[in-house]
Amino acid sequence: GQNIDQPTEMTATEGAIVQINCTYQTSGFNGLFWYQQHAGEAPTFLSYNVLDGLEEKGRFSSFLSRSKGYSYLLLKELQMKDSASYLCAVRDLGNAGNMLTFGGGTRLMVKP
Amino acid sequence: DGGITQSPKYLFRKEGQNVTLSCEQNLNHDAMYWYRQDPGQGLRLIYYSQIVNDFQKGDIAEGYSVSREKKESFPLTVTSAQKNPTAFYLCASTAQGLLAKNIQYFGAGTRLSVL
Repeated sequence: GQNIDQPTEMTATEGAIVQINCTYQTSGFNGLFWYQQHAGEAPTFLSYNVLDGLEEKGRFSSFLSRSKGYSYLLLKELQMKDSASYLCAVRDLGNAGNMLTFGGGTRLMVKP
Repeated sequence: DGGITQSPKYLFRKEGQNVTLSCEQNLNHDAMYWYRQDPGQGLRLIYYSQIVNDFQKGDIAEGYSVSREKKESFPLTVTSAQKNPTAFYLCASTAQGLLAKNIQYFGAGTRLSVL
């Protein structure tokens, strides 16, 4: 099976940069996803990495190192609306049905 | 507008009662999923279906049942055998195929509580 670890909570200041880390253990890595989830709402897709390196999309970037089993989500120019949970999810070749295994999520609080 | 619709938004269950949560998608996605989320936790897979008339158990299927009679619809029944059903239930779907990144898209969720 997969084991996915991410910090439970983080706090950052409006306008700053924050990095949310995710480490995983899997036998047949086939992609890593980041989702944003505001309280009481559905997760929304942020980014997808399957090859090593950095994927940039506006204020959000996601990095992957397959050899280290490590990813991070980088949020720049933080805004109050970025206060949410950020979920890391991994897809494994051994999973039928393109199933994802989710980490417990990192709750980010952005303060003025 | 294409998307995934879950209903109802809030649902209350009496002890011993079965309740059914609806999930409909008009994205023409082949695969559909049901997840359970408890407060402050990640998502856990209940059931998934890759094709009509076929579905598979996820990690926490006990006390739940599903059907997939139509491509667009994947209802979840929470049976009386599920002793701790209070949670946020999320339905997701994804396109299959080599060119698809297989990104899962989620409905708005149903919050189930026990009376």
